[in-house]
Amino acid sequence: NAGVTQTPKFQVLKTGQSMTLLCAQDMNHEYMSWYRQDPGMGLRLIHYSVGAGITDQGEVPNGYNVSRSTTEDFPLRLLSAAPSQTSVYFCASTQSSTGDTEAFFGQGTRLTVV
Amino acid sequence: RKEVEQDPGPFNVPEGATVAFNCTYSNSASQSFFWYRQDCRKEPKLLMSVYSSGNEDGRFTAQLNRASQYISLLIRDSKLSDSATYLCVVNGFSGGYNKLIFGAGTRLAVHP
Repeated sequence: NAGVTQTPKFQVLKTGQSMTLLCAQDMNHEYMSWYRQDPGMGLRLIHYSVGAGITDQGEVPNGYNVSRSTTEDFPLRLLSAAPSQTSVYFCASTQSSTGDTEAFFGQGTRLTVV
Repeated sequence: RKEVEQDPGPFNVPEGATVAFNCTYSNSASQSFFWYRQDCRKEPKLLMSVYSSGNEDGRFTAQLNRASQYISLLIRDSKLSDSATYLCVVNGFSGGYNKLIFGAGTRLAVHP
């Protein structure tokens, strides 16, 4: 029952460093997405993918890259970390891209940029 | 204006109380509505979908008012374990694809 697996759970970066947050799902879902959650602001969509090879920007894409080479994996890359990217990051997957099915979330990555 | 707005709370209620949360959304074309629950420092999990005719799941009742563009969640006979943040979620459509839009959440604290 793995569902959606995110790694790492915690990370501290120095300003300017790059890193990749990993996300994998084993439910054969076509739609995957990355969110960041900041106090008082709810979850904001960073990037999403409706299938392998297809990605698009969400609400707050600047400073992040994604790719979707397989159905299972959807990594999020921070190109040059900034303190403003300190946040909790959640990866999610849904069965379809129609917006009417349940979203399953990973356990989150708590990122601190110093 | 935020696409999905919720009262952040916190709502502090005693065990056994009935509590209601409201949520408003701005996109009249939205078709799917949900309530998610998020425990402290955990991932959100689906509590229930919200249907046009209203729906109930045990102590939880969800209602949708399309004309006024708001969604409600009623919790009866509150339990300590109901303490969490409740996220109102609405589907939106942009860039050719659907996406889920999350409210900032309403925090509920149930005390003995």
